[in-house]
Amino acid sequence: ILNVEQSPQSLHVQEGDSTNFTCSFPSSNFYALHWYRWETAKSPEALFVMTLNGDEKKKGRISATLNTKEGYSYLYIKGSQPEDSATYLCASSYGGATNKLIFGTGTLLAVQP
Amino acid sequence: EPEVTQTPSHQVTQMGQEVILRCVPISNHLYFYWYRQILGQKVEFLVSFYNNEISEKSEIFDDQFSVERPDGSNFTLKIRSTKLEDSAMYFCASSEGVVTRFEQPQHFGDGTRLSIL
Repeated sequence: ILNVEQSPQSLHVQEGDSTNFTCSFPSSNFYALHWYRWETAKSPEALFVMTLNGDEKKKGRISATLNTKEGYSYLYIKGSQPEDSATYLCASSYGGATNKLIFGTGTLLAVQP
Repeated sequence: EPEVTQTPSHQVTQMGQEVILRCVPISNHLYFYWYRQILGQKVEFLVSFYNNEISEKSEIFDDQFSVERPDGSNFTLKIRSTKLEDSAMYFCASSEGVVTRFEQPQHFGDGTRLSIL
């Protein structure tokens, strides 16, 4: 059974703090790592898809890195803002007939103004 | 920006009844998915659909579940005889591309909260 883990489960930071989360995934037969931002009562919003070892992606103040050899990805938020408050989900895929995603439990970020 | 839409947003059904959850994927997308999240648990894959047939399904997706794309735009998930443990948030997703499908994000709808009484 493929298991994706995220840490921490939740994080409370002050506005302006920088923060990072970890996603650990099985590296055998790995194809891609997805990061999503999920606000309550909305749909998960795709942030990044990464496939290659050493990949780095950036979107505004948010960036992510990928290590496929050891099976982890980091998501960084620089200068957190209250509007960054959300659950951040990672999911990995392993090829096969389709691109089914195996999700972690998510990291709940709360940014205090 | 195109988005995946799901209806209804909340469905309350008696145990044993049939329920149909509806989704309209993004129009040029080729792969379609259903996932669900039971309260307090991880989001889990149910089924994927390509070229008008199921391409992969999980162990959860037993004979009580079915999917179809009846008219080229809607994508539905049917549960024939609902059980209490089917209560969950159900998400539809779609992605474009075939050759590059592993590099494409899946775009999710807002979900349907299914409550079985």
